[in-house]
Amino acid sequence: AAGVIQSPRHLIKEKRETATLKCYPIPRHDTVYWYQQGPGQDPQFLISFYEKMQSDKGSIPDRFSAQQFSDYHSELNMSSLELGDSALYFCASSLREFRGPSGELFFGEGSRLTVL
Amino acid sequence: GESVGLHLPTLSVQEGDNSIINCAYSNSASDYFIWYKQESGKGPQFIIDIRSNMDKRQGQRVTVLLNKTVKHLSLQIAATQPGDSAVYFCAENIRGGSEKLVFGKGTKLTVNP
Repeated sequence: AAGVIQSPRHLIKEKRETATLKCYPIPRHDTVYWYQQGPGQDPQFLISFYEKMQSDKGSIPDRFSAQQFSDYHSELNMSSLELGDSALYFCASSLREFRGPSGELFFGEGSRLTVL
Repeated sequence: GESVGLHLPTLSVQEGDNSIINCAYSNSASDYFIWYKQESGKGPQFIIDIRSNMDKRQGQRVTVLLNKTVKHLSLQIAATQPGDSAVYFCAENIRGGSEKLVFGKGTKLTVNP
């Protein structure tokens, strides 16, 4: 079965550079979530989109922005990168109408960003 | 405020034993809870969920217990196998509110053969 696809899987950048992470949700899923997970930390919610509109916002720095496109894929743009941005970035998708008794989010394998 | 935490950061069990992983939450408005399993270098994988109108739910080899009185959630894994070794997170959500899941601190489960 198709899963959430994230790219790139690994990314190395230097301080003050920019990075773009991409997420391709499971086909027909209409909601995308971005999470950041630092080493040994729990995933922290950054932002979510439903039907191409931002639906919720968490602890996302102002240096970061994201959007969901007409084909439902999403991109997370990170600028002026800092050492502390080094983390695993997960994308998850769901189908909102099925977020009923089992509101499962399906996670991708993550993109590991290393800022040097 | 919204926060979910775990009592123990690590748990080591013998293969075949039952494992119990605990989670405490503080937001009394949370009404939906999920347990995720995360293997090294991979994304969180759904294990089981429970709504606040239930106090127990069983899956294959796993059981989730919810005690709303003390805001406590637990995951029981029966006959733990080496493949169960991973970090386990509980997450909470307020249905009808924000869609986001709030994750607690993970518990690293190690199953010894």
